[in-house]
Amino acid sequence: NAGVTQTPKFRILKIGQSMTLQCTQDMNHNYMYWYRQDPGMGLKLIYYSVGAGITDKGEVPNGYNVSRSTTEDFPLRLELAAPSQTSVYFCASGRGATNEKLFFGSGTQLSVL
Amino acid sequence: AQSVTQLGSHVSVSEGALVLLRCNYSSSVPPYLFWYVQYPNQGLQLLLKYTSAATLVKGINGFEAEFKKSETSFHLTKPSAHMSDAAEYFCAVSATSGTYKYIFGTGTRLKVLA
Repeated sequence: NAGVTQTPKFRILKIGQSMTLQCTQDMNHNYMYWYRQDPGMGLKLIYYSVGAGITDKGEVPNGYNVSRSTTEDFPLRLELAAPSQTSVYFCASGRGATNEKLFFGSGTQLSVL
Repeated sequence: AQSVTQLGSHVSVSEGALVLLRCNYSSSVPPYLFWYVQYPNQGLQLLLKYTSAATLVKGINGFEAEFKKSETSFHLTKPSAHMSDAAEYFCAVSATSGTYKYIFGTGTRLKVLA
């Protein structure tokens, strides 16, 4: 059981480039989340999804886009990368009840230079 | 609106000493509260959670936390620190209704001294 899988693990982008961070889960979870983690700032919610075809903004959505065409996959798209998007990105999934834990991927470390 | 505040971004303890990591929450509805641990280069893993049953919650690796409504706190403790406890710890809150969002604190990095 792989859980939540994120790719790539590391990436360096130049300013203005675009990329997609991949996230897939094999637990049949309806709820999926993208967070970014910056030193001393904790985790900030970028986007989340409550099921295939349904997404919504979190706290820091600017500069990002998401889609959810299947239950398993929740890719995060960065358009026109900026240095402010240098961060560690985590994908997470859950059953949806807010008294239950989230399952996290191992993260993508992104540097925009 | 919900929020969590973790006091102390870095905490150092000696091996065998008590671990106390502080978390205070703010929530307009009864909260669910969580502690997660993050080891280097890994994602977050659940340590324990409070979901309105017992106020003293026991988790993995000997950690426990007590929900105190009067103090709006959910501090994490462990009687005796091990070197393997060195990690970053996050407190998180979610609402019992109205949102599917989890709000995380800024984290506390625990260092265990030999």
